Amino acid sequence: DAGITQSPRYKITETGRQVTLMCHQTWSHSYMFWYRQDLGHGLRLIYYSAAADITDKGEVPDGYVVSRSKTENFPLTLESATRSQTSVYFCASSEAGRTGQEPQHFGDGTRLSIL
Amino acid sequence: EDKVVQSPLSLVVHEGDTVTLNCSYEVTNFRSLLWYKQEKKAPTFLFMLTSSGIEKKSGRLSSILDKKELFSILNITATQTGDSAVYLCAVGNTGNQFYFGTGTSLTVIP
Repeated sequence: DAGITQSPRYKITETGRQVTLMCHQTWSHSYMFWYRQDLGHGLRLIYYSAAADITDKGEVPDGYVVSRSKTENFPLTLESATRSQTSVYFCASSEAGRTGQEPQHFGDGTRLSIL
Repeated sequence: EDKVVQSPLSLVVHEGDTVTLNCSYEVTNFRSLLWYKQEKKAPTFLFMLTSSGIEKKSGRLSSILDKKELFSILNITATQTGDSAVYLCAVGNTGNQFYFGTGTSLTVIP
């Protein structure tokens, strides 16, 4: 089915471990984004990518790494997880319209708990 | 510092009421303002506004942007229980970044 899918949906891990969250979209959208959503903060941008092999930092990039070797995939890696990274993570994609970005389409989120 | 502020934080109304949700922003190099509805999972897109004073409508929902005063409102008329959700406002800049508010939680009581 067309759309944007995230995996896993739920993940529990321990501090210090490396964990990778996957994001795959089938629309061939140029832009992809990673957000975290925490109570009292709303959605905050971690990293985004305008095209394959192009990535940029958002508001809260520390402790995260991204890559985009293919247009359809945008994995997010926590190299050494900390409790403060417990959150719900959303991936989103959008097309680059004529006058700027088109609206973002979001995946269903990954709920990550770090013990 | 770029920021988006939504008010009220939460709202409880009865079916049939009309509600107005507010979004004010201070974002450098503004490009667009977007409204999303978030139920249990992913936010879903409602409106994108780029021009001041032009109302966007979709059924019972409408939104307008004031670029001079740096705010937008989202109106929902004749509310239904299915409108219960968190409504998110996001502002995009010319650098292709989006800043989100913390959302307004709307509960519609039958």
